[in-house]
Amino acid sequence: EPEVTQTPSHQVTQMGQEVILRCVPISNHLYFYWYRQILGQKVEFLVSFYNNEISEKSEIFDDQFSVERPDGSNFTLKIRSTKLEDSAMYFCASSRNEKLFFGSGTQLSVL
Amino acid sequence: AQKVTQAQTEISVVEKEDVTLDCVYETRDTTYYLFWYKQPPSGELVFLIRRNSFDEQNEISGRYSWNFQKSTSSFNFTITASQVVDSAVYFCALATNFGNEKLTFGTGTRLTIIP
Repeated sequence: EPEVTQTPSHQVTQMGQEVILRCVPISNHLYFYWYRQILGQKVEFLVSFYNNEISEKSEIFDDQFSVERPDGSNFTLKIRSTKLEDSAMYFCASSRNEKLFFGSGTQLSVL
Repeated sequence: AQKVTQAQTEISVVEKEDVTLDCVYETRDTTYYLFWYKQPPSGELVFLIRRNSFDEQNEISGRYSWNFQKSTSSFNFTITASQVVDSAVYFCALATNFGNEKLTFGTGTRLTIIP
């Protein structure tokens, strides 16, 4: 069964460094998303992406964040200058026909 | 604005008991979608069900069943004859845009099945 894949599963970085989280959505899906979950808290929407542009973003998704679909298969989330509070599990997701499927997540730890 | 409330933070039941997880939602939209996801200890989010606001028919999938009641804005999830593998955090979520699933999640219910 097709699935959303995310790499790496764990990422450790120093505060102020740039990180890129990578995702390969399900191939025939049309919408792509990033969500995050701070430890022990609920899952929060960051951004949705459709037709090669952002369709919606939350207040969390500030200028430090950007998304890109560089080659038609990968979907990336970049955090330019990480902060301690960016430590979280980041989930990529894709959807078609109103069914939203999540990847297994990237645990980002900012030290 | 959308809101999803899962009032039960943690539930523990003995294996083989039935358990119901509550979900109450708020939205002003007349068209919306409700979801349940399971998050096992390994951390991934596993899709369980999507229900649209036009369909109030209850659904059963094996040991899982869902009770959608628009009159009380609830979408409750019941596990029958619980098993240890059901131990996880369960999230209820709401989306109001067709195609663009910006989900609003509840805070989750941690379910522990005691062998």
